[in-house]
Amino acid sequence: LAKTTQPISMDSYEGQEVNITCSHNNIATNDYITWYQQFPSQGPRFIIQGYKTKVTNEVASLFIPADRKSSTLSLPRVSLSDTAVYYCLVGDISSGSARQLTFGSGTQLTVLP
Amino acid sequence: NAGVTQTPKFQVLKTGQSMTLQCAQDMNHNSMYWYRQDPGMGLRLIYYSASEGTTDKGEVPNGYNVSRLNKREFSLRLESAAPSQTSVYFCASSDMGGYTFGSGTRLTVV
Repeated sequence: LAKTTQPISMDSYEGQEVNITCSHNNIATNDYITWYQQFPSQGPRFIIQGYKTKVTNEVASLFIPADRKSSTLSLPRVSLSDTAVYYCLVGDISSGSARQLTFGSGTQLTVLP
Repeated sequence: NAGVTQTPKFQVLKTGQSMTLQCAQDMNHNSMYWYRQDPGMGLRLIYYSASEGTTDKGEVPNGYNVSRLNKREFSLRLESAAPSQTSVYFCASSDMGGYTFGSGTRLTVV
């Protein structure tokens, strides 16, 4: 299982773009990168998933360089409601067996007014 | 479209009591999981089930048992609760698109 490293915390102001980077130096060929968001007293919620280059949805963008040893979650124009913990997970989603992905401590993003 | 449903949402137990946390998913996922989350920490895997009829230990299985009753349901049992098991418990299911989590059970053991 690929180990991931993220910053413990980040602060931002409303309206700014926030970029959270995750390092995964030992990512395997079949591994995908998935980001989750967790609010207090709730379970994590899927944000975005990608394999290479760039993925964009209505919530965020995910940038993955050619070597895939890191990835960056980009949140455009954050609001106070984006204050949450963000987890980066790396693993093989193509296999039929259960994926025991490891959740690290995540990145606590605090958006200030 | 309920997703993953956990019951109960809150529970207080006395040391030594037993209880079962229930989890059901309606997304036809093969894999299901139980995690615990302690304050300020990430999620730690207790047990998982790759498919109906199979279960395996995760990172922190001691003090817990599980049952994959059918494809929809995956229960977690505490036979003799201890204060160290005070935590928030999350059930999840997965397919290739990622994990879907329940809303959690907040368990306090006194």
